[in-house]
Amino acid sequence: DGGITQSPKYLFRKEGQNVTLSCEQNLNHDAMYWYRQDPGQGLRLIYYSQIVNDFQKGDIAEGYSVSREKKESFPLTVTSAQKNPTAFYLCASSIRQDSSGANVLTFGAGSRLTVL
Amino acid sequence: AQSVSQHNHHVILSEAASLELGCNYSYGGTVNLFWYVQYPGQHLQLLLKYFSGDPLVKGIKGFEAEFIKSKFSFNLRKPSVQWSDTAEYFCAVNPGYSSASKIIFGSGTRLSIRP
Repeated sequence: DGGITQSPKYLFRKEGQNVTLSCEQNLNHDAMYWYRQDPGQGLRLIYYSQIVNDFQKGDIAEGYSVSREKKESFPLTVTSAQKNPTAFYLCASSIRQDSSGANVLTFGAGSRLTVL
Repeated sequence: AQSVSQHNHHVILSEAASLELGCNYSYGGTVNLFWYVQYPGQHLQLLLKYFSGDPLVKGIKGFEAEFIKSKFSFNLRKPSVQWSDTAEYFCAVNPGYSSASKIIFGSGTRLSIRP
């Protein structure tokens, strides 16, 4: 069964600690994304990656870091520099379309991070 | 900067009422447009998409959306809603050039249907 696996589903962290959220896909998709979902603010793009060993900042990248060493994996680290890290984090992937560049996203189930 | 606006934050309707959810975007070039839906307790999933061609696109569960380029709009419609349409709906925009895969979402509209 192809899909996106995010782990952990729930995570608690103390202030000042870094935490890494895992995202793995077996869809053979080229592009991967991290979004943050907050009530009333929709999905805000943190980072995205179109190919292995390359990634770009989204609209709210400060306090986050990513890596893309393998096509299947796109982990997100929430660092202690992120001022308001408590949120629901969504990973997504897409296969690059034709020259139109259109991308349909497949989403994971999400990870809920709570900073105590 | 590119942005997507959904002006209706929470819409409450009775079953069988007609629905229209607004979506406006601020990118001037070619765009690909999407509506995604998040049912309670489920993953976000694609409802419908516009890439090119007929500006009136049909999606799953009787939903449709119309792309009006002159108004930078992509409103979602359904002639008669059901209780099972209760969900959060997100409009999204993807610039339509091959070098970019950035996808921007609106703030979402929560739809509540009274049985």
